Amino acid sequence: EIVLTQSPGTLSLSPGERATLSCRASQSVSSRYLAWYQQKPGQAPRLLIYGASSRATGIPDRFSGSGSGTDFTLTINRLEPEDFAVYYCQQYGSSPYTFGQGTKLEIK
Amino acid sequence: QVQLVQSGAEVKKPGASVKVSCKASGYTFTSYYIHWVRQAPGQGLEWMGIINPSGGSTSYAQKFQGRVTMTRDTSTSTVYMELSSLRSEDTAVYYCARSVAGRNAFDIWGQGTMVTVSS
Repeated sequence: EIVLTQSPGTLSLSPGERATLSCRASQSVSSRYLAWYQQKPGQAPRLLIYGASSRATGIPDRFSGSGSGTDFTLTINRLEPEDFAVYYCQQYGSSPYTFGQGTKLEIK
Repeated sequence: QVQLVQSGAEVKKPGASVKVSCKASGYTFTSYYIHWVRQAPGQGLEWMGIINPSGGSTSYAQKFQGRVTMTRDTSTSTVYMELSSLRSEDTAVYYCARSVAGRNAFDIWGQGTMVTVSS
């Protein structure tokens, strides 16, 4: 099973700043099979990024993904108030499809 | 519009079974796989398994093998997830989500179904 470790656990930033979230895999993940999701309290997760760097439909271009192998990054430029949420990375190349434990992005 | 609508909250006793439904609309039901993901209170996301609505084939996470069964009804575009021998640790929100193929990201999610296991 591929274990995904996200860091930091909590990130405190102000609107307008840039957020950098990390996801490290216990073994190599093809970049085709790495996704990022956003989850707000009481809501289902929402797909942001798939294939490590492709934005899902309707996702603003301030969200970007990068990385390969075992290290992946989600960057959010110019944070908006609605961006404060929990973010999960996921690998879907190898069963079981695993998620990271999440990074909480909170308002400073 | 494209959506997955799940059945309502459930309260079950330890040892019982629960069956959660996920009704698809707005797209061709048999063209997308359905996954089940659960989230215990205050915790992260855990993938349980996948079903191909076209042929009904399934694949389950080893952790749930023998306790979970995923089925589908093409006449109503509905997928079901049944979890048996419930214990308190199964208390969670259960989500269905679709992907365009087995190894693809989950682009549409259901609203979630809260299952509470308590004596």
